Amino acid sequence: AQTVTQSQPEMSVQEAETVTLSCTYDTSENNYYLFWYKQPPSRQMILVIRQEAYKQQNATENRFSVNFQKAAKSFSLKISDSQLGDTAMYFCAFTLGGTYKYIFGTGTRLKVLA
Amino acid sequence: DSGVTQTPKHLITATGQRVTLRCSPRSGDLSVYWYQQSLDQGLQFLIQYYNGEERAKGNILERFSAQQFPDLHSELNLSSLELGDSALYFCASSLSGGFSTDTQYFGPGTRLTVL
Repeated sequence: AQTVTQSQPEMSVQEAETVTLSCTYDTSENNYYLFWYKQPPSRQMILVIRQEAYKQQNATENRFSVNFQKAAKSFSLKISDSQLGDTAMYFCAFTLGGTYKYIFGTGTRLKVLA
Repeated sequence: DSGVTQTPKHLITATGQRVTLRCSPRSGDLSVYWYQQSLDQGLQFLIQYYNGEERAKGNILERFSAQQFPDLHSELNLSSLELGDSALYFCASSLSGGFSTDTQYFGPGTRLTVL
C-alpha cells in the first residue's frame, strides 16, 4: 500500500526567508504523481504544485519549487521569499498514474512571522 | 476560486439524523471525488464517481452513500450520524476518470458538526 509521511507537524519562518517542507512516500510503482496543496485558515484546498514521477526536472511555480528525489522517495517543497499569506497547512499528496484517489500526508502547519 | 461549489458551507445537526451534502464540479469535469477531513488530519478518500457511475471506493462507512446525477452534480448522504462524523467534507473534481492523471480541484468544503 502507498503511504505519505510528513514528519514536521509545525514550522515557522521569518517573512522573506526560505523554508523547506519535507515529504516522503512509499510505493513500489513507477508511474505516479505528487502534489503539494495549501490549506489556509479559510480551509480551502489550493493546489500549489504538481510533479510527474517520470519527469526528472523539478517542478517550479513562482516562489514554490520542489526537490524530487525519486530514489529516496522524497518530495520536499521549498518556499522562497516567504510571505504572510503563505501561512497555512501544507499537505503532500500522492496518486498512482491512471488511478483515482489521492493519498494525503498529515500536513505541516507553516507560520510566516512578520 | 477552483470552480467547484459545495453547499451548504456549514451544517449542524444531532446524532441519529441524516444529512445531504451537495457538490457541483467544474464545468467540463466528469469525475467527482469525496474526501473527509477530521480535525487537523489529512484528507481521507471516501468515493469517486465518473460520469454518473461509481468508479472507486475508499474507507466509506455503510451509513454513507453518494450518487452523481446526469447533470454531473453529486450528493453525499450521511445517515445515523454519530459524534465522530463531525468533520470537513470536501468534494473535488477532475476532467476524466483516471485514464490519465488529472489534477483534482477542491471545493470549499462543508463543515459538519454533529451534536
